[in-house]
Amino acid sequence: KAGVTQTPRYLIKTRGQQVTLSCSPISGHRSVSWYQQTPGQGLQFLFEYFSETQRNKGNFPGRFSGRQFSNSRSEMNVSTLELGDSALYLCASRRTSGSPAYEQYFGPGTRLTVT
Amino acid sequence: GQQVMQIPQYQHVQEGEDFTTYCNSSTTLSNIQWYKQRPGGHPVFLIQLVKSGEVKKQKRLTFQFGEAKKNSSLHITATQTTDVGTYFCTYSGGGADGLTFGKGTHLIIQP
Repeated sequence: KAGVTQTPRYLIKTRGQQVTLSCSPISGHRSVSWYQQTPGQGLQFLFEYFSETQRNKGNFPGRFSGRQFSNSRSEMNVSTLELGDSALYLCASRRTSGSPAYEQYFGPGTRLTVT
Repeated sequence: GQQVMQIPQYQHVQEGEDFTTYCNSSTTLSNIQWYKQRPGGHPVFLIQLVKSGEVKKQKRLTFQFGEAKKNSSLHITATQTTDVGTYFCTYSGGGADGLTFGKGTHLIIQP
């Protein structure tokens, strides 16, 4: 079974621009979560989508948004990029039934650099 | 939301020595998970604990959930160079909280 895939793997953007990142979950996984990882703040939860609906949201400004499609693929968008948005953005998918309930499968991440 | 504190932040050990990382919460947790992230890699799920006092073992790794469900530990016996990485604890509070990760413990092994 293929793992979680994320595109692109690396991205360089300029302040003020916007960016869209893509995530394809493991087949059959309907929940997709997004995380931001930085050396200073660690792994921080952005949001979770299930069946095309946002179920949970972390403490991030409205510039960070996401969506999920009917095939469970997900995208996240960051508008008006700031230097502090430079980070590794990780997507994770999980089953929504069975055990363990909270096991997440992470993708390789998208390394975003804002200049 | 709730916070989990992980200690130590960094741990240097000689290969073959044991290693322990701790995850502490000020409030009761319904569950806890442990992940490992190798340098340059992504987090990989190790284990989930849900019962008070639960102890689970995976080869050289032993995971424990405290009786009060406010703390957890991961112990590695006789570390190997393949154990290098960052170990995170995390929990799901349900509702609108999503998953909350600790800052992680970076394990550095000197051969």
